[in-house]
Amino acid sequence: GQSLEQPSEVTAVEGAIVQINCTYQTSGFYGLSWYQQHDGGAPTFLSYNALDGLEETGRFSSFLSRSDSYGYLLLQELQMKDSASYFCAVRGSGSARQLTFGSGTQLTVLP
Amino acid sequence: DTAVSQTPKYLVTQMGNDKSIKCEQNLGHDTMYWYKQDSKKFLKIMFSYNNKELIINETVPNRFSPKSPDKAHLNLHINSLELGDSAVYFCASSQEGQGGYTFGSGTRLTVV
Repeated sequence: GQSLEQPSEVTAVEGAIVQINCTYQTSGFYGLSWYQQHDGGAPTFLSYNALDGLEETGRFSSFLSRSDSYGYLLLQELQMKDSASYFCAVRGSGSARQLTFGSGTQLTVLP
Repeated sequence: DTAVSQTPKYLVTQMGNDKSIKCEQNLGHDTMYWYKQDSKKFLKIMFSYNNKELIINETVPNRFSPKSPDKAHLNLHINSLELGDSAVYFCASSQEGQGGYTFGSGTRLTVV
């Protein structure tokens, strides 16, 4: 089976940097993704890492270490609008190749 | 120009009823999905479907059935609704080789 662990809540202030960690277990591995979901909204794709290393997209970066089964999402220059839930997700192999999501991290950005 | 659209947005119904949720994508993606999000925001895969294969999560009751008239549509039919079916249901699509899923705006189902 597949399982992911991420913190349930993170709080930070505007302008700060926050890192949301994710560890996973999966049968086969086809990449780690991150999604953002505002209250009442749909999950929105942020980033995808198939290989080790850091991927940067504007204020957001995502990191993957396959040997450690670990990744993180880094949010810089936090803004109030970044307050949302952030989900890591993995694709496995075979019948597990659909995206399996972690339980989500609620990020609260304070003024 | 909605990429993944699902209807209705809200659905309130009584226990025991049968209901359907429709989903359409105009992205040309080859695979579509249904996810259930419970009150604790946990997103759980229910089905994935492309024109070759339907993959059903083994924990999904057989009261739930996906129906795909063509590759741009994947509807969800639910028989004999139960209180525990109350949740937000998301349709999504993806293209093999591309990283991300595109989600619809969700259908909030309330069973009373």
